Amino acid sequence: QKEVEQNSGPLSVPEGAIASLNCTYSDRGSQSFFWYRQYSGKSPELIMSIYSNGDKEDGRFTAQLNKASQYVSLLIRDSQPSDSATYLCAVKEGTSYGKLTFGQGTILTVHP
Amino acid sequence: NAGVTQTPKFRILKIGQSMTLQCTQDMNHNYMYWYRQDPGMGLKLIYYSVGAGITDKGEVPNGYNVSRSTTEDFPLRLELAAPSQTSVYFCASRQGQDQPQHFGDGTRLSIL
Repeated sequence: QKEVEQNSGPLSVPEGAIASLNCTYSDRGSQSFFWYRQYSGKSPELIMSIYSNGDKEDGRFTAQLNKASQYVSLLIRDSQPSDSATYLCAVKEGTSYGKLTFGQGTILTVHP
Repeated sequence: NAGVTQTPKFRILKIGQSMTLQCTQDMNHNYMYWYRQDPGMGLKLIYYSVGAGITDKGEVPNGYNVSRSTTEDFPLRLELAAPSQTSVYFCASRQGQDQPQHFGDGTRLSIL
């Protein structure tokens, strides 16, 4: 059973701080990694994808991937109350059909 | 720009009833997926399809069936509804192997 584990929450940070979300995965053959944001009662929306070791930045978001250690993280700089949501880590298994396995999610609250 | 459309948005069923959750995408994506999400949990894969006429089981297929007669449509069938199937159901699609999945708005299903 391929597993994806996210750091336990909920996570609470003050406005303007850096929020750090972590995810580990069990399948060494995994090639693609995604972070989704899900507001309460809404569907997941993609915020970052990463495929190679290292950092990938998009605005206030930075995804970090370390395949040797089997972890992927998401940093949110200058956190805003609108960032308050559940963040889901998703890992694509290393097969041609590419099923995603999701972590259980980390609830982030950014307080003013 | 419809994307992935799910109907209905809400439904209440009695135990033992059957129903079909509809999913349609207008992006000509070959890959389509059905997930369920229980409160406070991540997404669990029910069934997936890699193209018209090709479907396969995911992590939690028991109690469900699917068909894929066209590229656009991927309906999910519940034959004998049980309380354990109370959940939020999401349909998703993607274009290529390493592309992210795009989600519909979900169907909230209660079985009483």
